Amino acid sequence: KAGVTQTPRYLIKTRGQQVTLSCSPISGHRSVSWYQQTPGQGLQFLFEYFSETQRNKGNFPGRFSGRQFSNSRSEMNVSTLELGDSALYLCASSLVLRASGRSYNEQFFGPGTRLTVL
Amino acid sequence: EDKVVQSPLSLVVHEGDTVTLNCSYEVTNFRSLLWYKQEKKAPTFLFMLTSSGIEKKSGRLSSILDKKELFSILNITATQTGDSAVYLCAVVGGATNKLIFGTGTLLAVQP
Repeated sequence: KAGVTQTPRYLIKTRGQQVTLSCSPISGHRSVSWYQQTPGQGLQFLFEYFSETQRNKGNFPGRFSGRQFSNSRSEMNVSTLELGDSALYLCASSLVLRASGRSYNEQFFGPGTRLTVL
Repeated sequence: EDKVVQSPLSLVVHEGDTVTLNCSYEVTNFRSLLWYKQEKKAPTFLFMLTSSGIEKKSGRLSSILDKKELFSILNITATQTGDSAVYLCAVVGGATNKLIFGTGTLLAVQP
């Protein structure tokens, strides 16, 4: 099975611009979560999508948004970029076994998108 | 507030040594604890421990979960230079898949 894929791998933007990152989960995985990793804050949860619905959201401003498509692929968008948004953005996919959407399965990470804001 | 604390923050050992990495947590409605290894790329999954699986082993790596004392340890025996990485501990609580990460332990294995 192919792993989690993310595109693009690297991105350079300037302040004020917006960016869209894409994540394709492992085939059959319906839950996709996004994380931001920075040297100062470590790995922090952004949001999780399951069946095209946002199930949980971390403590990030409204400039950070996302969505999930019917094929479970997910995108996240950051508008009005700030210097502090420079980070590695990681996507993780998980197999969800129950109709309630709860999962006890492992979460597998993609290679990440390295975003640099100048 | 949910939190995960890892110790030590960093560790330098020589090849062949055995290391123990610690992870303590406080989380509402604990469901699982996961260990990841991160080199210069995305975290790689190592183990998941739950109420029904409190001890895992894979080759030279093993991990246990103490749900009563709210901690986990990751053991690496006969360390190799390829074990050098940041080891991350994360917990899942409540009704979502949100991973709450610790800051990680930086392990450096010297030849």
